Amino acid sequence: EPEVTQTPSHQVTQMGQEVILRCVPISNHLYFYWYRQILGQKVEFLVSFYNNEISEKSEIFDDQFSVERPDGSNFTLKIRSTKLEDSAMYFCASSEGKSATYEQYFGPGTRLTVT
Amino acid sequence: KNQVEQSPQSLIILEGKNCTLQCNYTVSPFSNLRWYKQDTGRGPVSLTIMTFSENTKSNGRYTATLDADTKQSSLHITASQLSDSASYICVVSLLDSNYQLIWGAGTKLIIKP
Repeated sequence: EPEVTQTPSHQVTQMGQEVILRCVPISNHLYFYWYRQILGQKVEFLVSFYNNEISEKSEIFDDQFSVERPDGSNFTLKIRSTKLEDSAMYFCASSEGKSATYEQYFGPGTRLTVT
Repeated sequence: KNQVEQSPQSLIILEGKNCTLQCNYTVSPFSNLRWYKQDTGRGPVSLTIMTFSENTKSNGRYTATLDADTKQSSLHITASQLSDSASYICVVSLLDSNYQLIWGAGTKLIIKP
């Protein structure tokens, strides 16, 4: 069964460094998402992406974040200058369509630790 | 404010028993309600999606109900198994947003042998 994959599974970085989190969505999906989950807290929406541009973004997704689909398979989240509070699990998801009944399929997540 | 509240926060039951998890939401305009299962350290996996007109939906031993008038949903798990130990998250989507989901905090369910 097709699945969303994410790399790396765990990333440790120093405060102020740039990190790139990578995702390979399900191949026939057109809509892509990033979420984060701080330990013990709710999943939070960051951004959605369609047709090579951002469709929606939350207040969390400020200027230090960017997303890109550099080729036909990868979808990346870049954090330019990491802060301690960026430590969280980051989940990528994808869906076939944007309609209310389309499933979003989630990857296993990347645990980001900022020290 | 759009919110999703779940209860209980955590629940411990014996293997083979049934349980029911609750979700109340104040999301408007409502599009659909989803239940996800999230194993520790893993991404959420969808169990059900229910639109405004659906009252009940089943997926194996999982049965979700939706009362759009009272803005309540429940997830009933029948004949629990050890593998059901996970967090169960209620998620509501907005009608005027095609992408954004409003997440509950989840109920942490532990099944004991």
